[in-house]
Amino acid sequence: VQLVQSGAEVRNPGESLKISCKGSEYKFASYWIGWVRQMPGRGLEWMGIIYPGDSDTRYSPSFQGQVTISADKSISTAYLQWSSLKASDTAMYYCVKGYSGSLNDAFDIWGQGTMVTVSS
Amino acid sequence: QSVLTQPPSASGTPGQRVTISCSGSSSNIGSKYVYWYQQLPGTAPKLLMYRNNQRPSGVPDRFSGSRSGTSASLAISGLRSEDEADYYCATWDATLSGYVFGTGTKVTVL
Repeated sequence: VQLVQSGAEVRNPGESLKISCKGSEYKFASYWIGWVRQMPGRGLEWMGIIYPGDSDTRYSPSFQGQVTISADKSISTAYLQWSSLKASDTAMYYCVKGYSGSLNDAFDIWGQGTMVTVSS
Repeated sequence: QSVLTQPPSASGTPGQRVTISCSGSSSNIGSKYVYWYQQLPGTAPKLLMYRNNQRPSGVPDRFSGSRSGTSASLAISGLRSEDEADYYCATWDATLSGYVFGTGTKVTVL
């Protein structure tokens, strides 16, 4: 069971971006997939979560309206996207798999992380 | 500003026991399962403890978790150099309707 994320990205402020997270060796549609931000030298922040089976999506109030989480269960891939990046979006982003089918369970599998750098 | 508070640091010599606390409220720790994650330097976090005190396969029994009221704790007994890492508690918060992480504790092996 693993989550493999897309590679590091460098963008200018104001640009858009979509990063991906591909699940393998498990029934992708049946487990929640979340996204976690870690800014340089800082702690972990939960951004939101999606259930690929029906695309039910929840966002942290801190990230609502700032990012969009989506998933395509046909290719076992979840996405995190920005329409207009800011320098403060510079961070490592991890996708995570829910331990069970419950919304509020632990994250038992973590992707390797995608580093996003926003700089002019 | 996280709703779960941890001490910023903890330390011990090899073989000692170290305990990390995680303080929350009735809307999170007081009513939901607590999870713990270990983040070794330069790597992605890893699940260390789920449902308060359950260890995933492969996690040594030197690690133990507990919850009492609105607080939780992670204990590391027989401290080893490879335990040097950042540790985060986490849970679901019913008021925020979202997952919350603790502020994180850096464990140093002296």
